[in-house]
Amino acid sequence: RKEVEQDPGPFNVPEGATVAFNCTYSNSASQSFFWYRQDCRKEPKLLMSVYSSGNEDGRFTAQLNRASQYISLLIRDSKLSDSATYLCVVGQAAGNKLTFGGGTRVLVKP
Amino acid sequence: GAVVSQHPSRVICKSGTSVKIECRSLDFQATTMFWYRQFPKKSLMLMATSNEGSKATYEQGVEKDKFLINHASLTLSTLTVTSAHPEDSSFYICSARTSSGTAQETQYFGPGTRLLVL
Repeated sequence: RKEVEQDPGPFNVPEGATVAFNCTYSNSASQSFFWYRQDCRKEPKLLMSVYSSGNEDGRFTAQLNRASQYISLLIRDSKLSDSATYLCVVGQAAGNKLTFGGGTRVLVKP
Repeated sequence: GAVVSQHPSRVICKSGTSVKIECRSLDFQATTMFWYRQFPKKSLMLMATSNEGSKATYEQGVEKDKFLINHASLTLSTLTVTSAHPEDSSFYICSARTSSGTAQETQYFGPGTRLLVL
């Protein structure tokens, strides 16, 4: 079983619609959680950290469910520029290492 | 925000040659740098963790004699792919973490180096 699993997609989303997807992680001792965005042939860029109580940043909402060991990302009012691969990233306490999921590809279409 | 640079951005080399990739933190001191590799349509895979002034810690399955990592200063880490072969062709990305980092601290990624071995 992979440490961090994501639905690879692609999620084809009409412009203006809402899209949501999850990520599951296997290590119950994981301490930090992030969503990164990666555009084609570019490095990952931090989208947002995910806090226990859930958090929102503009059109993006992240949730953490420690009991079920998953995090989610919801994008409201999708823009064409939201088309990217969204990487679920989990931080471990030991060595502060980050483990990346395989990414969920989102395609926003007019 | 914090900036991490990598050089070169892309390199093409012949099989059997060695390639050195530099990773620099431009506006902060990075006691820890991480080296990742990403194959097409795959996730980033951590290769090694590099702490300034000490030997790198390699992930399982990563050959330390093939991927030489040096972290001689708080702003520079280098990855040398020795005797590169076509299967080493990949996107190599470094990241850096500040000295005050905790488990919650994020890492700042370099722009990546695309290596093609012919």
